[in-house]
Amino acid sequence: DQQVKQNSPSLSVQEGRISILNCDYTNSMFDYFLWYKKYPAEGPTFLISISSIKDKNEDGRFTVFLNKSAKHLSLHIVPSQPGDSAVYFCAVYGGATNKLIFGTGTLLAVQP
Amino acid sequence: GAGVSQSPSNKVTEKGKDVELRCDPISGHTALYWYRQSLGQGLEFLIYFQGNSAPDKSGLPSDRFSAERTGGSVSTLTIQRTQQEDSAVYLCASSLEGGGSSGTYYEQYFGPGTRLTVT
Repeated sequence: DQQVKQNSPSLSVQEGRISILNCDYTNSMFDYFLWYKKYPAEGPTFLISISSIKDKNEDGRFTVFLNKSAKHLSLHIVPSQPGDSAVYFCAVYGGATNKLIFGTGTLLAVQP
Repeated sequence: GAGVSQSPSNKVTEKGKDVELRCDPISGHTALYWYRQSLGQGLEFLIYFQGNSAPDKSGLPSDRFSAERTGGSVSTLTIQRTQQEDSAVYLCASSLEGGGSSGTYYEQYFGPGTRLTVT
């Protein structure tokens, strides 16, 4: 069973517009959430994270929102740039586990 | 500073052969993780090392898979008698500490991966 779900395998956005990537999780015990970006033939790169005690964290063009009641996480990128085109993974730490549980990723394409 | 490095970057092997994949974590990082990404899948946890503690092997898919970490630094993932379903990108990550148990979480930094193809 998939504990972390990214239901959109792909997303296409115009340059300058907002990109919104979504992630749903099943376990209310999860308490730390991360977003990673991955280019082809490279390892994932950490982007931004949020603790379950917050509902928003912002870093430049990237903002992560957490809705604990809905078990839903989203990443907003604004304005989107062609260099943002990549696969985005959400990941969670939960409880006493030291491993990250990843979603299946969303391929973002930012059109010039 | 230097990031996580992995070698080889690509490995093609015949079914039934053994392979060894190497990971050099970021200096000073005490936690080391192995993940794999199969075609069209997310990243799947394999094994976790933290300092001198016993590793968490809960993600290893079969007893053909093993890993060791020597001197608290370099790690080797070994796959014996490879099968075609072992074909994937194997990713290593390191962090300052393992997260969760101390109530503090640390970002994991990934290497570029080893693409394993079993023919």
